[in-house]
Amino acid sequence: DIQMTQSPSSLSASVGDRVTITCRASQSISSYLNWYQQKPGKAPKLLIYAASSLQGGVPSRFSGSGSGTDFTLAISSLQPEDCATYYCQQSYTIPLTFGGGTKVEIK
Amino acid sequence: QVQLQESGPGLVKPSETLSLTCTVSGDSISTYYWSWIRQPPGKGLEWIGYINYSGSTNYNPSLKSRVTISVDTSKNQFSLKLNSVTAADTAVYYCARRVAAGTLLGRTYYGMDVWGQGTKVTVSS
Repeated sequence: DIQMTQSPSSLSASVGDRVTITCRASQSISSYLNWYQQKPGKAPKLLIYAASSLQGGVPSRFSGSGSGTDFTLAISSLQPEDCATYYCQQSYTIPLTFGGGTKVEIK
Repeated sequence: QVQLQESGPGLVKPSETLSLTCTVSGDSISTYYWSWIRQPPGKGLEWIGYINYSGSTNYNPSLKSRVTISVDTSKNQFSLKLNSVTAADTAVYYCARRVAAGTLLGRTYYGMDVWGQGTKVTVSS
């Protein structure tokens, strides 16, 4: 199985801050990397696919980058509604695997 | 507007079989692949498997010996059976639609774009 490792596991930032989350795959997955946002008590929501393509309806303050084994999710200006846990997920091979999650909180 | 709704018992006894159904509305199940994912309390996401309308499946090898996913196109539903459950199978279970989210430079990229609200299943005697 491909292991997905996220860092940090949690972070606290102020409204308007730029936030970055890192995801590392245990082997190359090209650009087969998705990012999801999960708010408490809710189902995950697809934010980014193919490492850097924004899913329809997702605010442009979210962006993704990377390929191979190292990927980044960035929020350019953190908003209160961005408080959530973010997961990366590789779609390169079966079994599909997720990172452990990064919890984003507002200071 | 596509909606998915999980249903099934919220409590299952150890060693018994967990059975859940996902009802799809607003879309035909004869399109795309349909997934099951679970999330133990306070933990991350684990992909269980997916199926398409013809019954073609892919399972997580860690669960493959205990899992069966099936589809009923007449009811626009797909189902999950997990046998010989233990407390470790306690989780919120989600169903989701797997779609080709985009094609770039000749490659197709898949993601799970519509999810059910999730159903909590507790394994306990």
